Amino acid sequence: KAGVTQTPRYLIKTRGQQVTLSCSPISGHRSVSWYQQTPGQGLQFLFEYFSETQRNKGNFPGRFSGRQFSNSRSEMNVSTLELGDSALYLCASRQGLATSTDTQYFGPGTRLTVL
Amino acid sequence: QKEVEQDPGPLSVPEGAIVSLNCTYSNSAFQYFMWYRQYSRKGPELLMYTYSSGNKEDGRFTAQVDKSSKYISLFIRDSQPSDSATYLCAMSAVGGKLIFGQGTELSVKP
Repeated sequence: KAGVTQTPRYLIKTRGQQVTLSCSPISGHRSVSWYQQTPGQGLQFLFEYFSETQRNKGNFPGRFSGRQFSNSRSEMNVSTLELGDSALYLCASRQGLATSTDTQYFGPGTRLTVL
Repeated sequence: QKEVEQDPGPLSVPEGAIVSLNCTYSNSAFQYFMWYRQYSRKGPELLMYTYSSGNKEDGRFTAQVDKSSKYISLFIRDSQPSDSATYLCAMSAVGGKLIFGQGTELSVKP
């Protein structure tokens, strides 16, 4: 079974631009979560989607948004990029929702650099 | 104060050593405890999963959870150079989001 895939793997943007990242979950997985990983803050939860609905949200500004499609694929958008948005953005998928017995499988991440 | 505290290291040990990695937490609602391993330029992969208190063993890896002390540990026996990675603890309450520790960078020297 193919793992979680994320595109693109690397991205360079300038301040003020917006960016869209894509995640394809493992086949059969209906939940997709997004995380931001930085050396200073570590791995921080952004949001989780299940059946096209946002089910959980972390403490990030409204510039960070996401959506999930009927095939469970998900996109994350960051508008008005700031230098501090430079990070590794990780997507994780699991079969179910929030029972925490479902294992989360991570993709390789998208490395975003904001200049 | 962060909900989950983890010593970032780095930790360097000789091959064959026993490694102990630890996390403390403040939220008594956490019920699910996990350890992830992350190699450079890769996403985290799940190593161990424990529900509530107790021990769990898988090969050279042992996870311990002490809810009374709000303390979890991961032990690696007979460490190998291939174990060199960043180890992240993670935990959640029922129905809650996953909260990660900062990660401990481990280097096992041949």
